[in-house]
Amino acid sequence: EAQVTQNPRYLITVTGKKLTVTCSQNMNHEYMSWYRQDPGLGLRQIYYSMNVEVTDKGDVPEGYKVSRKEKRNFPLILESPSPNQTSLYFCASRGQTHSNEQFFGPGTRLTVL
Amino acid sequence: AQSVSQHNHHVILSEAASLELGCNYSYGGTVNLFWYVQYPGQHLQLLLKYFSGDPLVKGIKGFEAEFIKSKFSFNLRKPSVQWSDTAEYFCAVNMRNAGNMLTFGGGTRLMVKP
Repeated sequence: EAQVTQNPRYLITVTGKKLTVTCSQNMNHEYMSWYRQDPGLGLRQIYYSMNVEVTDKGDVPEGYKVSRKEKRNFPLILESPSPNQTSLYFCASRGQTHSNEQFFGPGTRLTVL
Repeated sequence: AQSVSQHNHHVILSEAASLELGCNYSYGGTVNLFWYVQYPGQHLQLLLKYFSGDPLVKGIKGFEAEFIKSKFSFNLRKPSVQWSDTAEYFCAVNMRNAGNMLTFGGGTRLMVKP
């Protein structure tokens, strides 16, 4: 089954404790993205990647890092999480052409105390 | 900067009422347009998309949207809503030649009363 998976689905942590949220897709997609969803703000893109070893900042990259060492994986790293990073995070992927639909993962609800 | 606006943040309708959700974007170039739906506790799913051709696009579950280029709009419509349409709806725009970002509107939370 074609899908985007994220882990963990729920995470409560404390300020400053480094964490990684994993994202994996099995559709051989070139493009992958991370979004955060906050009430009234919709989804805002954090980082995206056009292919292996190619990443770029989205709208709200501060406080986040990503890497794309393999095509299927696109982890999101919070080196020193802060309470304003409490949010719902979605990973997404799509094929190379603009006409391709983005497929979203199930989301990761992160709370930073 | 490019932006996407959804003017209705919360909409409450009774079953069988007609629905129209507004979406406007600010970008003068070529765009790809999407509507996504997020049912409670679930991830986003694509309702419909527009890339070119007929500006009236039909999607799943009886939804449709019309691209009006002169108004920079892509409003979502459904003639008769059902209780199961209760969800949050997001308009999204990929502004070609402005990077590969997909810019989302703030979302509209729809509640349909049985």
